Amino acid sequence: QVQLVQSGAEVEKPGASVKVSCKASGYSFTDYGVHWVRQAPGQGLEWMGWINPGNVNTKYSQNFQGRVTISSDTSATTAYMELSSLTSEDTAVYFCARSRPDRGWIYFDCWGQGTQVTVSS
Amino acid sequence: DIQMTQSPSTLSASVGDRVTITCRASQSFSTWLAWYQQKPGKVPNLLIYKTSTLESGVPSRFSGSGSGTEFTLTISNLQPDDFATYYCQQYHSYPLTFGGGTKVEIK
Repeated sequence: QVQLVQSGAEVEKPGASVKVSCKASGYSFTDYGVHWVRQAPGQGLEWMGWINPGNVNTKYSQNFQGRVTISSDTSATTAYMELSSLTSEDTAVYFCARSRPDRGWIYFDCWGQGTQVTVSS
Repeated sequence: DIQMTQSPSTLSASVGDRVTITCRASQSFSTWLAWYQQKPGKVPNLLIYKTSTLESGVPSRFSGSGSGTEFTLTISNLQPDDFATYYCQQYHSYPLTFGGGTKVEIK
């Protein structure tokens, strides 16, 4: 079945970077985009950016421009999200999610289980 | 950026009720809107895409409608499993944006 499995919880110090992985299975990895969405404690959902593994194109939210890098490894069917210059405001659950890459299809029909990232000194 | 504003933020209802959640957009667009359900500590689950198309496996008591700047999610005959938080998401343009969420509570 279609599945996205994320790496485990991380605890980082302010100013550090974190890299979260998202392993895809059960579908053709290059036929779908992988997005990253975060949810701070008790808050709503915030889109961070996405990658199309088929052509390695990326697009980021301006809220994270310069701090977030999304990449993919087709041979490993895995996408990655790296966030740098962490502050306590980056403490959140980070989700990866799948969508078709075409306009009109950019909604999320499968989500990873989420990765808790805690930023604390 | 398209801002999505959901109302109400919290809704108290009883089993069997019909409830409506509204999502208003800061700019007009046609149909590229999705709805998700999220339960505490769980992953969001796609309910509806393209404003009114039910995702496979989603009960028919869920329905969506709207266009322009106003979209609605309706749950008819509310069931115990429906008490959760609901989010709208526009995919008309980047950055993709979500509404702030509507928590449906037991009355």
